[in-house]
Amino acid sequence: EPEVTQTPSHQVTQMGQEVILRCVPISNHLYFYWYRQILGQKVEFLVSFYNNEISEKSEIFDDQFSVERPDGSNFTLKIRSTKLEDSAMYFCASSERDSFFYEQYFGPGTRLTVT
Amino acid sequence: KQEVTQIPAALSVPEGENLVLNCSFTDSAIYNLQWFRQDPGKGLTSLLLIQSSQREQTSGRLNASLDKSSGRSTLYIAASQPGDSATYLCAVRWNSNSGYALNFGKGTSLLVT
Repeated sequence: EPEVTQTPSHQVTQMGQEVILRCVPISNHLYFYWYRQILGQKVEFLVSFYNNEISEKSEIFDDQFSVERPDGSNFTLKIRSTKLEDSAMYFCASSERDSFFYEQYFGPGTRLTVT
Repeated sequence: KQEVTQIPAALSVPEGENLVLNCSFTDSAIYNLQWFRQDPGKGLTSLLLIQSSQREQTSGRLNASLDKSSGRSTLYIAASQPGDSATYLCAVRWNSNSGYALNFGKGTSLLVT
């Protein structure tokens, strides 16, 4: 069964460093998302992406964050200058053509630890 | 403010018991509601998606119901098994914004002994 994959599974970085989290969505999906979950808290929406554009973003997704689909298979989340409070599990998700009515399928997550 | 609430936060039941997990949401103008399962340190597994026009969805031992007017959904698990132990998350997609985001509750942590 097709699935969303994410790399790395765990990333440790120092405060102020740039990190790039990578995702390979399900191959026929056209809508892509990033969410995060700080330890012990609920999953929070960051951004959605369609047709090479951001379609929606939350207040969390400030200028320090960016997303990109550099080729036909990868979808990345970049954090330019990490802060301690960016430590969280980051989940990538994808859904089919008509985003509003289709399930979002989540990857296993990347645990980001900022020291 | 749009909120998703799940009660109880934790639940422990003996194997074989039927159980109900509750989800409530503050704004009834939804596109759909999705139930997920999350195992410790793992990703989210989609269990059921229920559209705003539907009353319920079933998959195996799972049944999700939706009452939009009262802002409630329930996830019914029949004949619970130890393998059902996980955190169950409810997520709502509202149509009062652009509708792409899933808005999650904090989840119910289920332990089947």
